[in-house]
Amino acid sequence: DAKTTQPPSMDCAEGRAANLPCNHSTISGNEYVYWYRQIHSQGPQYIIHGLKNNETNEMASLIITEDRKSSTLILPHATLRDTAVYYCIVRARDSWGKLQFGAGTQVVVTP
Amino acid sequence: DVKVTQSSRYLVKRTGEKVFLECVQDMDHENMFWYRQDPGLGLRLIYFSYDVKMKEKGDIPEGYSVSREKKERFSLILESASTNQTSMYLCASSSRAGTIYFGEGSWLTVV
Repeated sequence: DAKTTQPPSMDCAEGRAANLPCNHSTISGNEYVYWYRQIHSQGPQYIIHGLKNNETNEMASLIITEDRKSSTLILPHATLRDTAVYYCIVRARDSWGKLQFGAGTQVVVTP
Repeated sequence: DVKVTQSSRYLVKRTGEKVFLECVQDMDHENMFWYRQDPGLGLRLIYFSYDVKMKEKGDIPEGYSVSREKKERFSLILESASTNQTSMYLCASSSRAGTIYFGEGSWLTVV
């Protein structure tokens, strides 16, 4: 079973911020939170990851709560090309390739 | 930019054929992975390799083999393709304990 819980779908207006929540209440101390997205028929694309501090890169920001039981991915200015399924994953860095993708959140960005 | 390249995006093969799926990464990563992704079943690890000529079975290795003769190249082989191997195949790579990056995927149909 996936170790994360995400809403199944979310709509967002183009140009607005998209805030994607993820619950990971059973996360272990050595597990990171990773976010990927998958556009239809393509491979998953890495977005961002973090351990306990908030992180930002050119694609998105990641906010992790102090107890690490949940996180939020923020797409600051959504575009139509951000329409995709977004996956939140928890993973220990030494876990090799055993990624558990849940059902993810289908994000639809509308004009 | 990170680059994982899969040789074929779409293939149609006949039952019993031998199928080769090739993957190349240009990031000098030690680890390489092969997954398959099916609706409702998520991402499943077939095989991974942590060094040249080294391989480890993942969760569903039956019916598959792999080859890693060079660090940058990891091949997935279906010795005798069957219809239940119709799927999207994803190659990925990572540094020793780093982020996993995926290729664009290969859609295989076995008829």
